[in-house]
Amino acid sequence: DQQVKQNSPSLSVQEGRISILNCDYTNSMFDYFLWYKKYPAEGPTFLISISSIKDKNEDGRFTVFLNKSAKHLSLHIVPSQPGDSAVYFCAASTTGNQFYFGTGTSLTVIP
Amino acid sequence: KAGVTQTPRYLIKTRGQQVTLSCSPISGHRSVSWYQQTPGQGLQFLFEYFSETQRNKGNFPGRFSGRQFSNSRSEMNVSTLELGDSALYLCASSFLRQGDNYGYTFGSGTRLTVV
Repeated sequence: DQQVKQNSPSLSVQEGRISILNCDYTNSMFDYFLWYKKYPAEGPTFLISISSIKDKNEDGRFTVFLNKSAKHLSLHIVPSQPGDSAVYFCAASTTGNQFYFGTGTSLTVIP
Repeated sequence: KAGVTQTPRYLIKTRGQQVTLSCSPISGHRSVSWYQQTPGQGLQFLFEYFSETQRNKGNFPGRFSGRQFSNSRSEMNVSTLELGDSALYLCASSFLRQGDNYGYTFGSGTRLTVV
């Protein structure tokens, strides 16, 4: 039972444009959410997080939005750069001791 | 500061064999979690250890086991390997305490191939 879903396996965006990666979850008890970025042959790298008391968190070019009523979060990357090409995973947790990950979205930024 | 170190990086085993993977967390991190990544399945949680105790366990068969040592290093073991166990096994560490919410730092993983 996949409690965190990323329904788009892949996304292509032109360099300089906005990339929007989406994530849906089913468990209303999730209260902490993270995004990770993964390059081939490497482990995931933490990107940005948000707790359920907020609806937006921003870090440079990366912004995460949380819509608790819709059980939906999204990651915006503006402007997109070729180095952003990677697989992006969203993850959610209730206790912070176990994270549930989505299946990932492969982002390709076209120069 | 050294990152999370996983050994070996690559492993090829035969069906029926057993395998042990190792993870050295970041110094000072006491929580170690293990995940299995397969294509199309994302990262599936295996288990989490804190201060040598397993605190959480995912939905995997008993062939998958782990332990944590007093220096926080962790090992996971898979017995009676099956072809479907072929995956990237990722270890993540954090200084999580109960109820805290902090992200993980992942290692580069061990790529296990079962033939």
